[in-house]
Amino acid sequence: DGGITQSPKYLFRKEGQNVTLSCEQNLNHDAMYWYRQDPGQGLRLIYYSQIVNDFQKGDIAEGYSVSREKKESFPLTVTSAQKNPTAFYLCASSTLPQRFSSPLHFGNGTRLTVT
Amino acid sequence: KNEVEQSPQNLTAQEGEFITINCSYSVGISALHWLQQHPGGGIVSLFMLSSGKKKHGRLIATINIQEKHSSLHITASHPRDSAVYICAVRALIQGAQKLVFGQGTRLTINP
Repeated sequence: DGGITQSPKYLFRKEGQNVTLSCEQNLNHDAMYWYRQDPGQGLRLIYYSQIVNDFQKGDIAEGYSVSREKKESFPLTVTSAQKNPTAFYLCASSTLPQRFSSPLHFGNGTRLTVT
Repeated sequence: KNEVEQSPQNLTAQEGEFITINCSYSVGISALHWLQQHPGGGIVSLFMLSSGKKKHGRLIATINIQEKHSSLHITASHPRDSAVYICAVRALIQGAQKLVFGQGTRLTINP
């Protein structure tokens, strides 16, 4: 079955450490997205990529970095510069590179806790 | 004020009841999405619509572009419908296409 795989489901890190969240899709989608979800708030866009080797900052990119070396993979690194990294992170993809013009497919998320 | 507001924030109902979740937005949009987030956190896209009405099984989504309002209805609700339902709109904001999400409506269906 095609889909998006995020790993791990739960991640714990000490403050000051960088951590990388994995996102892999086998849907052959061009566009991929990273969102952050906090309690009581809507999802917020961190980074997105419309094509391999290209990515753009979203609304809350500070303290995060991404890469898109392969179509299937869009890892997110939460750096020590991110002031409040504890959150639920969701990866998504869509068929068309035009932003949000086709339905989004989401992974199951990674819950990151930094202490 | 958020560009997308959902109501109610929480909804508890008995199995079999007809459910309505509302979404109001304040910007011009090109599309509206309804999403379902299960307790484990995964999100499923239910509908994407830009006008009129769409139906899938027991779920119905409507949109009124003039009134900037959309509703998600669930007929013959079942405990497995318990989830967070999220409305999101595709809009041109500050010169860029953005997807703006509502805060979600937590639905609990009791047997």
